[in-house]
Amino acid sequence: QSALTQPRSVSGSPGQSVTISCTRTTSDFGDHNYVSWYQQHPGRAPQLIIYDVTKRPSGVPDRFSGSKSGNTASLTISGLQAADEADYYCCSSAGTHTLSVLFGGGTKLTVL
Amino acid sequence: EVQLVESGGGLVQPGGSMRVSCAASGFPFSSYEMNWVRQAPGKGLEWVSYISSSGNYIYYADSVKGRFIISRDSAKNSLHLQMNSLRAEDTAVYYCARVKHPWYFDLWGRGTLVTVSS
Repeated sequence: QSALTQPRSVSGSPGQSVTISCTRTTSDFGDHNYVSWYQQHPGRAPQLIIYDVTKRPSGVPDRFSGSKSGNTASLTISGLQAADEADYYCCSSAGTHTLSVLFGGGTKLTVL
Repeated sequence: EVQLVESGGGLVQPGGSMRVSCAASGFPFSSYEMNWVRQAPGKGLEWVSYISSSGNYIYYADSVKGRFIISRDSAKNSLHLQMNSLRAEDTAVYYCARVKHPWYFDLWGRGTLVTVSS
């Protein structure tokens, strides 16, 4: 069964950039742009920050960007701020005859 | 205001049943596909179930298939999850989430905690 693998943690200093990877096992993401990213602060609901691999919802700063290559999608956060410290999850859908929605295990971003 | 508000969580014994609900407001609920996503304490997100806008298409994660039932009442702008034969590993915050195509969750509720324990 396919899964999405993320690093458990990443860190960076204010102003720096960090990249969080999301690797899909057993297959790649293909031509489908079904990759989204969510930010979750402690005790809060997840919030959409990237959809369709590279698009940002209204209100999300352009410091957040997404990309995809083969079986790995990535989230890059530039100009790190203290408020960016949170958990980040990638998500993708799968399944040809049924629906399967996969979340990565989550990455804890620490702003040093 | 566009929002989703879950309710109905609480403590239930293993093997018991519980129904959680989600009240939608501020958007045409009947036009949107909806989902339940859960998060066990200290763990990551897990998709639970999907229902189409018409209610005609329903899918479940393997972990809940045969035990949980998703439904919607578009007249009341509400989404429900009937959970039966509950297990300790079903303990989680249950979020309702609106989905847009090709596939992303653009609106989330605050969640409701379901604790399965004796």
